Amino acid sequence: GAVVSQHPSRVICKSGTSVKIECRSLDFQATTMFWYRQFPKKSLMLMATSNEGSKATYEQGVEKDKFLINHASLTLSTLTVTSAHPEDSSFYICSARKLIGKETQYFGPGTRLLVL
Amino acid sequence: GESVGLHLPTLSVQEGDNSIINCAYSNSASDYFIWYKQESGKGPQFIIDIRSNMDKRQGQRVTVLLNKTVKHLSLQIAATQPGDSAVYFCAEKRGSQGNLIFGKGTKLSVKP
Repeated sequence: GAVVSQHPSRVICKSGTSVKIECRSLDFQATTMFWYRQFPKKSLMLMATSNEGSKATYEQGVEKDKFLINHASLTLSTLTVTSAHPEDSSFYICSARKLIGKETQYFGPGTRLLVL
Repeated sequence: GESVGLHLPTLSVQEGDNSIINCAYSNSASDYFIWYKQESGKGPQFIIDIRSNMDKRQGQRVTVLLNKTVKHLSLQIAATQPGDSAVYFCAEKRGSQGNLIFGKGTKLSVKP
């Protein structure tokens, strides 16, 4: 199988602080990783796509300076929510796609962010 | 605009019955479709996929049907079990490097 992990699983922070979420592909190399945001009882909304070694591609309406994405290796991508505010509270989910030729995306368990 | 949607936001079935979850998509250029299962507080879990050159694909207790004429996708779960209770999302993809677009989700509740 293909396992994707996220850390932390839950985080509570004060308004104005920054939070970093890690996404790792544990048993495969991922050329592309995706970050999604999900509000309660809603579907997943793609925030950005990141390819290893290059800048992330952000979806329309997603502030790249607010949500910093780094994809430094084939097994690790990070999402940093800068100067978090209560409206940033959400469930953040990453997914990873295997090397070229494979289409299936494997999802991490998600990170619950609560900004007070 | 282009979207993937679901006909039924909630579905309640008796344990042992078959479940059918439906999904409509609007872009005929989509060539790859996936069903995901998401349990509360967890990430989506891959269930089954199908390419546009097929109209049916079977897995263990699950079958996906694709009707390109009416742009409709369905997930059939045989002998539904309490462990099947979750939210099910369909997703579409356009091209080998395209992004997944998720539908709204259907909550499946299985009554014992």
